[in-house]
Amino acid sequence: DIQMTQSPSSLSASAGDRVTITCRASQGISSQLAWFQQKPGTAPKPLIYAASSLQSGVPSNFSGSGSGTDFTLTISSLQPEDSATYFCLQYLTYPFTFGEGTKVEIK
Amino acid sequence: EGQLVESGGGLVQPGGSLRLSCAASGFTFSDYHMDWVRLAPGKGLEWVGRIRNKARGYTTEYAASVKGRFIISGDNSKNAVHLQMNSLKTEDTAVYYCSRSPNGNILDSWGQGTLVTVTS
Repeated sequence: DIQMTQSPSSLSASAGDRVTITCRASQGISSQLAWFQQKPGTAPKPLIYAASSLQSGVPSNFSGSGSGTDFTLTISSLQPEDSATYFCLQYLTYPFTFGEGTKVEIK
Repeated sequence: EGQLVESGGGLVQPGGSLRLSCAASGFTFSDYHMDWVRLAPGKGLEWVGRIRNKARGYTTEYAASVKGRFIISGDNSKNAVHLQMNSLKTEDTAVYYCSRSPNGNILDSWGQGTLVTVTS
């Protein structure tokens, strides 16, 4: 199985800050990577697919980059409503595998 | 633009069975792959399995942790997908979500989830 390693596991930043979350795959996955945002008690919200394509309705301050084994999710200007846990997902091969998650808190 | 509603969760004893359903509306069900994903208490998301779309013959894939115990099936007449869970273990306790994946995209719409609790 492909292992997905996310870092950091948590972070605290101020509103307006630029935030970057990384995800590393244990083997190359081309661009078959997605990012999700999840808040407690709610379903995950899709943010990014194909490493850098924004899902419909997602604000443009979210962006994704990378290919192969190293990927990043960037929030260009952190907003209070961005407080959540973020997960990456590889979908190149079965079983699909998620990263462990990054909890983002607002200072 | 598409809605998914899960049902069927509840309390079950270890070794028992449960059948979850996911009702789809607002899109052509047979065009999409349908996935199940779960979130266990205090843990991260885990992909459970998939039933591919009509063009791919409704074939299925499963995570190793559920293979041989869980079965995903589809009902085109009702625009629904089901997750039959057998030989349940305490570690299967989780909120179960269904999600759809169009060609070229992944898990782009999710249901609200249904809670499964496996306990004696």
